[in-house]
Amino acid sequence: KAGVTQTPRYLIKTRGQQVTLSCSPISGHRSVSWYQQTPGQGLQFLFEYFSETQRNKGNFPGRFSGRQFSNSRSEMNVSTLELGDSALYLCASSFGQGAREQYFGPGTRLTVT
Amino acid sequence: AQKITQTQPGMFVQEKEAVTLDCTYDTSDPSYGLFWYKQPSSGEMIFLIYQGSYDQQNATEGRYSLNFQKARKSANLVISASQLGDSAMYFCAMRSIGGTSYGKLTFGQGTILTVHP
Repeated sequence: KAGVTQTPRYLIKTRGQQVTLSCSPISGHRSVSWYQQTPGQGLQFLFEYFSETQRNKGNFPGRFSGRQFSNSRSEMNVSTLELGDSALYLCASSFGQGAREQYFGPGTRLTVT
Repeated sequence: AQKITQTQPGMFVQEKEAVTLDCTYDTSDPSYGLFWYKQPSSGEMIFLIYQGSYDQQNATEGRYSLNFQKARKSANLVISASQLGDSAMYFCAMRSIGGTSYGKLTFGQGTILTVHP
């Protein structure tokens, strides 16, 4: 069974631009969550989608948005990039919100210059 | 609000020895799950083990076991027979089952484990 895939793996953007990151969950998994990891703040929850609906959202500005498609694939978008958005963005999938296992993808490393 | 505390920024262990990584948590939710993840330098988060708050027995997965003490709100990870490949960052995390934070993982700050030959 293929794991969680994230594209692209690395990205360099300029301040003010926008970016879209993609996450394909494990086949059969319907819940996708996004996390931001930085050296200073650690791992922080961005949002979670289940069956195309956002079920939970972390404390991030409105520049961060996401969506989930009918095949459970998810995208997150960051508009008007700031230097502080440089981070490793991790996507996790699980069968459902109460699942005992939640599997992460390899992450997308975003650098904002 | 949920909180995970990992008090050991770094730990060292000799190859083939056992090591315990500490994790304490705080939550007012009656039902929750506790996770441990390993993050090598490549960045990928590798799921290691899960413990549900109502599970009667401590979870075990191969060389990993979770020492769950509900009254003390602790969920320590025990790695037996350490291997050089165990050198990585380890994160403790929790998730409510039900309630407004349903589905959201809250992470600790992590512990860097170094295994010496």
